[in-house]
Amino acid sequence: QQQVKQSPQSLIVQKGGISIINCAYENTAFDYFPWYQQFPGKGPALLIAIRPDVSEKKEGRFTISFNKSAKQFSLHIMDSQPGDSATYFCAASPLNRDDKIIFGKGTRLHILP
Amino acid sequence: NAGVTQTPKFQVLKTGQSMTLQCAQDMNHEYMSWYRQDPGMGLRLIHYSVGAGITDQGEVPNGYNVSRSTTEDFPLRLLSAAPSQTSVYFCASRNRVKYSPLHFGNGTRLTVT
Repeated sequence: QQQVKQSPQSLIVQKGGISIINCAYENTAFDYFPWYQQFPGKGPALLIAIRPDVSEKKEGRFTISFNKSAKQFSLHIMDSQPGDSATYFCAASPLNRDDKIIFGKGTRLHILP
Repeated sequence: NAGVTQTPKFQVLKTGQSMTLQCAQDMNHEYMSWYRQDPGMGLRLIHYSVGAGITDQGEVPNGYNVSRSTTEDFPLRLLSAAPSQTSVYFCASRNRVKYSPLHFGNGTRLTVT
């Protein structure tokens, strides 16, 4: 039973373009939605995170958009660069149970130079 | 500050052999966890611990044992390896402040033949 559905599985974007990765969830008890970035041979690392009291969070070229009513959230990477090529995981954890974080299946992003 | 250290980086086992994957963190984090990463499956939680002497099962605990005798160490034991346990294993830690990020090690790639 997958609680966080992530799409697409893989994505190819031209340098300078916008990369968009989408996630959807069903559990309305989720209250924290982080995104992790993983480079080959390395462990994932937190990229950016959002809580449902805001609809958008921006950090540099990375933006999370959150739609609470639709139970969807997405990562936008503006002006995508070859160095952004990595696997991206969305995740969610329920209120007061952040030991139960659930990850999406990941999106492999490749930015063409 | 080494962060989360996993050893070994690579391991090949024969079916039925046992081994322990080591994980140590030097950040005094109370929470530690083990994930396995398989192609197309994302990160799945195996076991986790919220402090020394306390462990609990995650999503895919069968075939794995853990213990937490110190804050720093959280070893993962495979008692009788099976080919289905071929995977990349990640250890992660975080402090108990709500919404604090997971810090991952660089993984152990395990092949069971």
